[in-house]
Amino acid sequence: NAGVTQTPKFRVLKTGQSMTLLCAQDMNHEYMYWYRQDPGMGLRLIHYSVGEGTTAKGEVPDGYNVSRLKKQNFLLGLESAAPSQTSVYFCASGPEGQGYQPQHFGDGTRLSIL
Amino acid sequence: SQKIEQNSEALNIQEGKTATLTCNYTNYSPAYLQWYRQDPGRGPVFLLLIRENEKEKRKERLKVTFDTTLKQSLFHITASQPADSATYLCALDPDNYGQNFVFGPGTRLSVLP
Repeated sequence: NAGVTQTPKFRVLKTGQSMTLLCAQDMNHEYMYWYRQDPGMGLRLIHYSVGEGTTAKGEVPDGYNVSRLKKQNFLLGLESAAPSQTSVYFCASGPEGQGYQPQHFGDGTRLSIL
Repeated sequence: SQKIEQNSEALNIQEGKTATLTCNYTNYSPAYLQWYRQDPGRGPVFLLLIRENEKEKRKERLKVTFDTTLKQSLFHITASQPADSATYLCALDPDNYGQNFVFGPGTRLSVLP
């Protein structure tokens, strides 16, 4: 049982380049999330989705776009990477409900912007 | 402003002692609170959830309390072991819609043999 899988695991980009981070879950969860984690800041929500075809902004959405074309996949895009986007990115998923359900996380993508 | 604080960035304790981690929040009224464990290089893993009408929740050596008056949750690990060394995160649902979560910055626990 793979759970939540993130690709790639590591990436180095130059300022201005673009890339897409892929998240896939095999638990048939409705909700999916993208977070970034920086030292001393904790996890901060970038965007989330409450179902296929839906997306919503989180706490720090600027500079990122997302798409949820299939229920099992949630893509995070950086159109023009900036050094401030150097971070560890985590994807999570969770079942639909009143929120008493835990989130299931992938193991992260470590992204460096030079 | 709304925020979540965890008592300290790092906590060192001796093996066999009880570790107590604190999660304080301001300007939220969560219906429940969650605790996660995160190991280096890995994503967080869910440990426990406690609802606002529950004063205490236990799971094996773990115990969580939730005081909505103090706006605080305490996370205890009894008979701690070196394998308990990790970062522990608290999280809450800011609007109780069950759609997104806010996490604390975490406390890095080191259990010394």
